[in-house]
Amino acid sequence: AQKVTQAQTEISVVEKEDVTLDCVYETRDTTYYLFWYKQPPSGELVFLIRRNSFDEQNEISGRYSWNFQKSTSSFNFTITASQVVDSAVYFCALSEFDSNYQLIWGAGTKLIIKP
Amino acid sequence: DAGVTQSPTHLIKTRGQQVTLRCSPKSGHDTVSWYQQALGQGPQFIFQYYEEEERQRGNFPDRFSGHQFPNYSSELNVNALLLGDSALYLCASSFPGGITDTQYFGPGTRLTVL
Repeated sequence: AQKVTQAQTEISVVEKEDVTLDCVYETRDTTYYLFWYKQPPSGELVFLIRRNSFDEQNEISGRYSWNFQKSTSSFNFTITASQVVDSAVYFCALSEFDSNYQLIWGAGTKLIIKP
Repeated sequence: DAGVTQSPTHLIKTRGQQVTLRCSPKSGHDTVSWYQQALGQGPQFIFQYYEEEERQRGNFPDRFSGHQFPNYSSELNVNALLLGDSALYLCASSFPGGITDTQYFGPGTRLTVL
């Protein structure tokens, strides 16, 4: 079974629309970490956020916000007022004790923002 | 503050050859991890180096080996290249010692095996 599921393979929206990228994870650990990374066409993975399992507070950073819900094992990412520069592949990742804290990656969601 | 750097940017090899990829970690970082990312997929963990030792290893054959130098830079060596080794190879570094710390990635080396 997939430990990190990003069900949306590709999303296409028009600039200025809000968009939410879904991430569902699976773990038996009580202490774990969740991450979002952005990978633009250049290829470099850019760190966006890290959350530990004990901190369920939602986070907002500019146009980006994250909704962490342990009850549904989800860690969703919302971009408000999307811009063309947000076009990239976005990866959700899990780090847990059972896997020696190595990053377990989702398959990624390709986000296309049309002008 | 220099980020993670990798060289070369692109590389073309033929089957059976050997290749060495290089990585310099972000300033202040001492742990280096290597990942392989095939087209359209997420990264796959190869191994991690800390204090010049391989600390953890993913599910990759012995053809994949590495090294970490006293200045924390690292090399990834792949022997007997196969067509399936064609991928983007990413290096990531993290803060001192902690295996749970956030990893910061370099721009990657695109390896093509013909």
